[in-house]
Amino acid sequence: DIQMTQSPSSLSASVGDRVTITCRASQGINNYLAWYQQKPGKVPQLLIHAASTLLSGVPSRFSGSGSGTDFTLTISSLQPEDVATYYCQKYNSAPLTFGQGTRLEIK
Amino acid sequence: EVQLVESGGSLVQPGQSLRLSCAASGFTFNTYAMSWGRQAPGKGLEWVSGISGSGANTYYADSVTGRFTISRDESKNTLFLQMNSLRVEDTAVYYCAKSLSSYVTDGFDIWGQGTMVTVSP
Repeated sequence: DIQMTQSPSSLSASVGDRVTITCRASQGINNYLAWYQQKPGKVPQLLIHAASTLLSGVPSRFSGSGSGTDFTLTISSLQPEDVATYYCQKYNSAPLTFGQGTRLEIK
Repeated sequence: EVQLVESGGSLVQPGQSLRLSCAASGFTFNTYAMSWGRQAPGKGLEWVSGISGSGANTYYADSVTGRFTISRDESKNTLFLQMNSLRVEDTAVYYCAKSLSSYVTDGFDIWGQGTMVTVSP
């Protein structure tokens, strides 16, 4: 099965900073990658699918890129409400594996 | 409003069975694939199982293959997960999630609030 590895596992940044989270697949998955945000005590929410397509209603400071095995989620200007754990998920074929998550905090 | 509401979570002993339900509303249920995911306390997300919009295709994580069965009832707009031979490591919040399309292999745009399953001797 394809493994998904996120880095870093945790991250602390200041409000206004540009933040980048990476996700690497152990085999190529084309652009079949989604990014989710899970705020503390809340349900996961889809931010991006097809590696770079922003879901309607998601702030434009979020963006995704990549194809094949290497992907990134970027927050262009970190806001306090972005404190959350972020997960990538591959969905080219079952099993639909999630990365282990990246916990993002405000410095 | 698009909504998913899970039920059926409980405290059970290892080896016992449990059936989870997920009531869907606000969208054409049979048009979309559905999945179950879970999250153990303090841990990350794990996909468990998925079923296509037609119900013809089902998929399972290796960790639950042979023990869990996913199904859907279009007349009731309800998704099910039959869980047999439960293990301590199955303890988690179980979420149902709606796919963006009729294919299981897609992102999940709507998640339920989750139902807690605890497996303990």
